[in-house]
Amino acid sequence: DTGVSQDPRHKITKRGQNVTFRCDPISEHNRLYWYRQTLGQGPEFLTYFQNEAQLEKSRLLSDRFSAERPKGSFSTLEIQRTEQGDSAMYLCASSPTGVSYLNYGYTFGSGTRLTVV
Amino acid sequence: DAKTTQPPSMDCAEGRAANLPCNHSTISGNEYVYWYRQIHSQGPQYIIHGLKNNETNEMASLIITEDRKSSTLILPHATLRDTAVYYCIVRDNFGNEKLTFGTGTRLTIIP
Repeated sequence: DTGVSQDPRHKITKRGQNVTFRCDPISEHNRLYWYRQTLGQGPEFLTYFQNEAQLEKSRLLSDRFSAERPKGSFSTLEIQRTEQGDSAMYLCASSPTGVSYLNYGYTFGSGTRLTVV
Repeated sequence: DAKTTQPPSMDCAEGRAANLPCNHSTISGNEYVYWYRQIHSQGPQYIIHGLKNNETNEMASLIITEDRKSSTLILPHATLRDTAVYYCIVRDNFGNEKLTFGTGTRLTIIP
């Protein structure tokens, strides 16, 4: 297990299409986070899971965005009816809880870069 | 989470110590200071964090002022691979799971 994996690395889609991104966290991490990053800005929190439970989703940008983590392992982020403003880097991160988290923080993946044309 | 203020950019000569400042004057007693960095086309990478004592690990040192209103990240011998955007983040570790990133400091290491 070499870290957090995200797939695909790049996605180009036409406006109005649906897209889905996948994140595979570090296997022993029970927390998983999604962030979005636009050009020149820091990452922006979207949502997070503890195991399969989605504990905060109020920061998802609209009802076109949804995330799942059905078995508490990998997660998917779906954007329906994409718009040009959705073009961004979508980052996934995972972390353990408790003392291990306090020592090491999050581990981020390399992200999926979405371009909506 | 308390807001942080960082200079937008800094340069440092290769081999010298890079000192990156961060102001967090509204930090509360239970909030930690975290530093992450983001190398181009990669996700952010955890560097170090602290509450009130100075901290050191294999990557960097973190100096937090006594009043905790500011801190400095020190990369003791900067290399070209340290060129990145460095983010200073303040958050508590109890029930607050998100990291609030600002725009960070773009550090360029000059050969």
